[in-house]
Amino acid sequence: GQQLNQSPQSMFIQEGEDVSMNCTSSSIFNTWLWYKQDPGEGPVLLIALYKAGELTSNGRLTAQFGITRKDSFLNISASIPSDVGIYFCAGHGNTGKLIFGQGTTLQVKP
Amino acid sequence: DGGITQSPKYLFRKEGQNVTLSCEQNLNHDAMYWYRQDPGQGLRLIYYSQIVNDFQKGDIAEGYSVSREKKESFPLTVTSAQKNPTAFYLCASTSGRALDTQYFGPGTRLTVL
Repeated sequence: GQQLNQSPQSMFIQEGEDVSMNCTSSSIFNTWLWYKQDPGEGPVLLIALYKAGELTSNGRLTAQFGITRKDSFLNISASIPSDVGIYFCAGHGNTGKLIFGQGTTLQVKP
Repeated sequence: DGGITQSPKYLFRKEGQNVTLSCEQNLNHDAMYWYRQDPGQGLRLIYYSQIVNDFQKGDIAEGYSVSREKKESFPLTVTSAQKNPTAFYLCASTSGRALDTQYFGPGTRLTVL
């Protein structure tokens, strides 16, 4: 079945740095979603993308739906300690089911 | 406030006992989902339901059972047949329209002693 490859698996950065993570697939996706999960909590939707090439921002977060429909990236600018958590990409593939990446664990050093 | 609630937040059970996790939503969503999350791993789909009185197995349904008697509720039973039940369980819902986003509950951490 369709799979998403999310990278990097983990990141440890200094407060104030910018962060970039991405998801790729060998097949086309019809949507891309980015979630953040705080420790011990459920994932919270950050950004939803519905069109190839779409670039959407939510505060310090920016995400893009790749033009090939096989990838998406999430950027976080000027990271702060509360950005710590696990970031998941997800997308609707050709089956209509929502498929999740493995997650990127972000740690921010004050 | 509209949202998804899961209870309890933490659950401890002895090995061999069945246990039921609650999931309720007041978003008027048609579709509901159960996922399992293990440390350092992504979300794996256990069961989902797109309409009342109907549900389908996900990728790891063995050892689990569900019911969908009401639109608002989608309880998950972890049976004694589940070989490794200790995990974080997440419930989600969506309107059911194609390509709609899923919204998650706060999760239940189940520990089997």
